[in-house]
Amino acid sequence: DADVTQTPRNRITKTGKRIMLECSQTKGHDRMYWYRQDPGLGLRLIYYSFDVKDINKGEISDGYSVSRQAQAKFSLSLESAIPNQTALYFCATSVGRNNSPLHFGNGTRLTVT
Amino acid sequence: GENVEQHPSTLSVQEGDSAVIKCTYSDSASNYFPWYKQELGKGPQLIIDIRSNVGEKKDQRIAVTLNKTAKHFSLHITETQPEDSAVYFCAASLSGNTPLVFGKGTRLSVIA
Repeated sequence: DADVTQTPRNRITKTGKRIMLECSQTKGHDRMYWYRQDPGLGLRLIYYSFDVKDINKGEISDGYSVSRQAQAKFSLSLESAIPNQTALYFCATSVGRNNSPLHFGNGTRLTVT
Repeated sequence: GENVEQHPSTLSVQEGDSAVIKCTYSDSASNYFPWYKQELGKGPQLIIDIRSNVGEKKDQRIAVTLNKTAKHFSLHITETQPEDSAVYFCAASLSGNTPLVFGKGTRLSVIA
């Protein structure tokens, strides 16, 4: 979905480095999410936010932090990257209404060496 | 919390045949069941969804069925085409304020 933009698209970093993944959206949606995709494990929720200043942990939040600086921006940080955080990361948005579809960005492929 | 199981993990069909992907969920209070299609290099996109007050929904060649008693729902694709080749994810949600829980995905290959 071109209305949900993730940067960078690819990133290679070393163990122990701090890294930030950015997500911005032009859809005007209130809710934003970060998911991680690993082969054979599907999509797992890291963090989500229903509004600016609202932050909620997902299934696999350990080792990650997030910041919702504005309605349109939701960034994911790895304070000290480790190799098992190598994965495909997706940002998604939805309207602030019950059971609304998610709109995904095209992902950031992160490799930690 | 909710747990969603998806089968099979891979599926190969001949062009023109039908494909069926099945999911089960654990929490009987779940009430929203979307299906997403992920093409190579892209994020998942919603293709169809169903709510717990409906047993079946159809959109052209795709349909979803829901059996609340058995806690399972299925995606049916008829007259498959090569462009249907992708990874498909099912998901379930307890309520509007509970984020979606996804299955592990099914890689569908349609052989011409």
